[in-house]
Amino acid sequence: GNSVTQMEGPVTLSEEAFLTINCTYTATGYPSLFWYVQYPGEGLQLLLKATKADDKGSNKGFEATYRKETTSFHLEKGSVQVSDSAVYFCALSENRGSTLGRLYFGRGTQLTVWP
Amino acid sequence: DAGVTQSPTHLIKTRGQQVTLRCSPKSGHDTVSWYQQALGQGPQFIFQYYEEEERQRGNFPDRFSGHQFPNYSSELNVNALWLGDSALYLCASSSRTGNPYEQYFGPGTRLTVT
Repeated sequence: GNSVTQMEGPVTLSEEAFLTINCTYTATGYPSLFWYVQYPGEGLQLLLKATKADDKGSNKGFEATYRKETTSFHLEKGSVQVSDSAVYFCALSENRGSTLGRLYFGRGTQLTVWP
Repeated sequence: DAGVTQSPTHLIKTRGQQVTLRCSPKSGHDTVSWYQQALGQGPQFIFQYYEEEERQRGNFPDRFSGHQFPNYSSELNVNALWLGDSALYLCASSSRTGNPYEQYFGPGTRLTVT
């Protein structure tokens, strides 16, 4: 079946530190991979995506590379800011032609950045 | 351009009652998915609707049902509420004719069952 395992939190960093949040997946077929971010009291926002092996998704200084050989999609940012404090979710979706299939989410990683 | 909207924002119900949550998709989107997010957990897929029919369903009992209207808006109904149904319910919309890889989420409805 499909599942996502992500690094347990919480993660606490100082401003300008390097961030890595690990994510590995199990999937049947060839999924698309996503990182979503959830700020306090809000819904989920798509941060970045990769739809095939070796693709790199990037947005707002965050990056993640779809590694089929290690079934991983680790999130990285070179220099975090206080405003990056949020919960980050790794997710996958089966590719179903023109329709996005259901999303399978990890448990989320709470990131807190101190000034 | 309004994004995904959900109502109500918060709701408190008693065990055994029934509840209806509502979702309006982003303009131009025709597919609506519902997720349940328990405190401290990732969202769990409940079901997905397009063309007014349920197309996919997650591992949720029949107490959870839904509907999609001709204007693509959707309702989630939960009967015989349990304490364990307390969660944030998220609606997500997407387009089958647009970019299939992007789902936009609403802010959610916080349901508390006492």
